[in-house]
Formats: sequence, C-alpha cells, structure tokens
Amino acid sequence: QVQLQESGPGLVKPSETLSLTCTVSGDSIDTYRWSWIRQPPGKGLEWIGNVYSSGSTNYNPSLESRVTISIDTSKNQFSLKLSSVTAADTAVYYCARDNRRRDSSGWYVHWFDPWGQGTLVTVSS
Amino acid sequence: DIQMTQSPSSLSASVGDRVTITCRASQSISTYLNWYQQKPGKAPNLLIYATSSLQSGVPSRFSGSGSGTDFTLTISSLQPEDFATYYCQQSSTLPRTFGQGTKVEIK
Repeated sequence: QVQLQESGPGLVKPSETLSLTCTVSGDSIDTYRWSWIRQPPGKGLEWIGNVYSSGSTNYNPSLESRVTISIDTSKNQFSLKLSSVTAADTAVYYCARDNRRRDSSGWYVHWFDPWGQGTLVTVSS
Repeated sequence: DIQMTQSPSSLSASVGDRVTITCRASQSISTYLNWYQQKPGKAPNLLIYATSSLQSGVPSRFSGSGSGTDFTLTISSLQPEDFATYYCQQSSTLPRTFGQGTKVEIK
C-alpha cells in the first residue's frame, strides 16, 4: 500500500523560501508523476505542479516564477520549494501521486491518488 | 485556465436522501473529470475518476455522469459517513483545477 508523508518547517518568515519534502513508501517513485497541491485554511484546492522521475516538471502559471519541484529517486522523495512567500501562501500543503492510464480513445486520463496527510505551513514573522 | 464551478456551495440533507452535486467547466473537458471527498482535517480522498469510474473501495451509492462541460456526482442514499465536502477536478489540461467545493451537511 502506497503511503506519502510530507515533512518540513511549519513556520516560514515572509520573503523567505518554503521547503517541503514528500517521502513515498510502498512503491517506487520511478513509475509515476508526483504532484503538490495546497489548500489555504477554509478554502479550496490549488494544484502547484508535478514532477516525473526524469526530473521533468509542470507548474501552475500562477506560481511558476516562485516554484521549484525536484525529485530524488535514490531516496524515493520529491520536494517543493516556494520562494518569496507571503501570508497568502499560508496553507496545508499536500503531496499526491499523479496517476494516469489510456482511455478508449487513446488519450490519457489523470487523477490524484493517494494523498499525503498534509502539512500546515504558516507564513508569519 | 479552465474554471470549475460547483453548485450548490452547500446543502443540507438527511440520511437516506438522494443527493446530486453539479460541476460545470468553463470549456469542454470531454470526460476528464474527477471527484474527491474531504472530511475536516483530512486529505481529499478520490471517489470517481474519468467522470464515472468508481475508485476501488468506494461504495456503489456514489456515481458520476456527464461530458463536455456539465457533470454530476450522485449519492443514491446518503449515509452518516458521507457528510463532508466534495470537490470536482478537471484533468483535461494543465494547470489542473478544482471546483470550489460543495459542503454536505446534516439536516
């Protein structure tokens, strides 16, 4: 059974860089894409970006200038860095496996499962 | 970005009720639509992917339908454990986007 666990500081100062790591157990990180998703307190979900085992990435344009997602296959981990944070970046940050399979028309279907339990990161001085 | 709009934002229902939640995309997403359930303090949990495919372990009272821009999630007979917030999410294009959520509360 695949499990994901986020780790990193729960408090980050404004203008600094938020850094989180997701450790994957029960499956090799080589086979899938892996995503970061966040949820401000009391609000909805925002996809941040994903990374493949090759290191190729996709980012949400709304965050692209500040985001770096990387992967370490030797440790079965992937990481998120978000620079120049403000209070608006306060959120629960989730990591998730980005699944896909081909549908009957040959296109890829994608979905997020499973998710980590999430970690709250507060931006405050 | 594709905007996903859910309705209603919240609803009150009783155990045993049939509940329907609607999700509308700002442009066609074919059938690339997923549904998640989130309980307070927990991570979202996948219910349905590709509009109507039930994730393993999810009760059959959950079903999904639709195509193009209009989609529905139906709970055929609401159970106590179903009181939660439900999110739709499109996987047609990047960036992936979610609806704002529908909170299902006890009447």
